Amino acid sequence: GAGVSQSPRYKVAKRGQDVALRCDPISGHVSLFWYQQALGQGPEFLTYFQNEAQLDKSGLPSDRFFAERPEGSVSTLKIQRTQQEDSAVYLCASSLRTANYGYTFGSGTRLTVV
Amino acid sequence: AQSVSQHNHHVILSEAASLELGCNYSYGGTVNLFWYVQYPGQHLQLLLKYFSGDPLVKGIKGFEAEFIKSKFSFNLRKPSVQWSDTAEYFCAVTSGGNNRLAFGKGNQVVVIP
Repeated sequence: GAGVSQSPRYKVAKRGQDVALRCDPISGHVSLFWYQQALGQGPEFLTYFQNEAQLDKSGLPSDRFFAERPEGSVSTLKIQRTQQEDSAVYLCASSLRTANYGYTFGSGTRLTVV
Repeated sequence: AQSVSQHNHHVILSEAASLELGCNYSYGGTVNLFWYVQYPGQHLQLLLKYFSGDPLVKGIKGFEAEFIKSKFSFNLRKPSVQWSDTAEYFCAVTSGGNNRLAFGKGNQVVVIP
């Protein structure tokens, strides 16, 4: 597609529920990034893929967070046993090669944990 | 790890006024610098970027930014804003060959017609 597509746009989860957030990057983009943006803050890095390889997951806040990109295109961010502090906008971005070539961001998924 | 500071989180100004948003970063090595903009209800978009060369960078929609290495700064400017510039502006940095962007907290800019 023309841009990075994320689904769902909005997700309300009960505390303790598992959620899965999907990202469809731009076709042919090698690099894929996940960011978490809390209210009133800038995006915070979560994890980075180059093709199917997860090269950096140092930003994942706990072992409840898991990301995959099994075929080097679509990626899923999974959050297990959601907590209220997980409420945020989750942004996906893709890049043709590295971040320095500029990311294209998706519109994000707004997760609210109640 | 690098950090990015943006001050004056909320800025309100009238159309035709000049805008300057400050950005300072902490990393002392080679850096790549970016400004992103997020219009209401839209995704983050790249305004401009600096990798090397002329420290005065021109971006889209009349924005420019100046890299001052000695001050670890990359301030964003626009001489005359329009109502359509109402948005949130984020400064971001990559450094040391690291692929991850480090963002500032953003500046919420409101332009009054």
